[in-house]
Amino acid sequence: AQKVTQAQTEISVVEKEDVTLDCVYETRDTTYYLFWYKQPPSGELVFLIRRNSFDEQNEISGRYSWNFQKSTSSFNFTITASQVVDSAVYFCALSEADRQGGSEKLVFGKGTKLTVNP
Amino acid sequence: DSGVTQTPKHLITATGQRVTLRCSPRSGDLSVYWYQQSLDQGLQFLIQYYNGEERAKGNILERFSAQQFPDLHSELNLSSLELGDSALYFCASSGQAGGTDTQYFGPGTRLTVL
Repeated sequence: AQKVTQAQTEISVVEKEDVTLDCVYETRDTTYYLFWYKQPPSGELVFLIRRNSFDEQNEISGRYSWNFQKSTSSFNFTITASQVVDSAVYFCALSEADRQGGSEKLVFGKGTKLTVNP
Repeated sequence: DSGVTQTPKHLITATGQRVTLRCSPRSGDLSVYWYQQSLDQGLQFLIQYYNGEERAKGNILERFSAQQFPDLHSELNLSSLELGDSALYFCASSGQAGGTDTQYFGPGTRLTVL
């Protein structure tokens, strides 16, 4: 069975600090996708990134970066120079690939609530 | 804006009642997924439709049902509502040709059962 663990329930930082959100996953599949979503206080789920299991390159997008390591089954998310607007709940998710190569249902972690204080 | 729309945004009803949640996927997306977010269970997959056909089922109660119409919009029907059904219900869509799927979520419907 698939499982996603986000061990950090809540993190509080001061603006401009760097912060890393941890995500550890379990799956028996060799082909799968990993995702991060952001849920701000307004409640919507905002897509941040998708990674497939064959692409272990780290990715950087502005202040956001992601570190995917298959050897440790981890897909960690770092925010550099955090800002108050980064305050949200962040979810890591995993999906298998379907027969056509698309993604199936998402299995979510419990989320990490990040609070960035001014 | 993800391009996925959900109505209504909020719904308040009483126990024992029946409600219908509606979702319109992004233009061109063939798959619609329904998820429930509650404080105790977190985000859980309920059901998926692909081009009108049921594709996968998750932890969906028998009191709940869904369908996807020819125009690809979907409805989630919740009946005999209980207090514990109060939650945020999300619809997501994906399924662009080529299979590089990302599920984009609608804004959600917050259901309160009193």
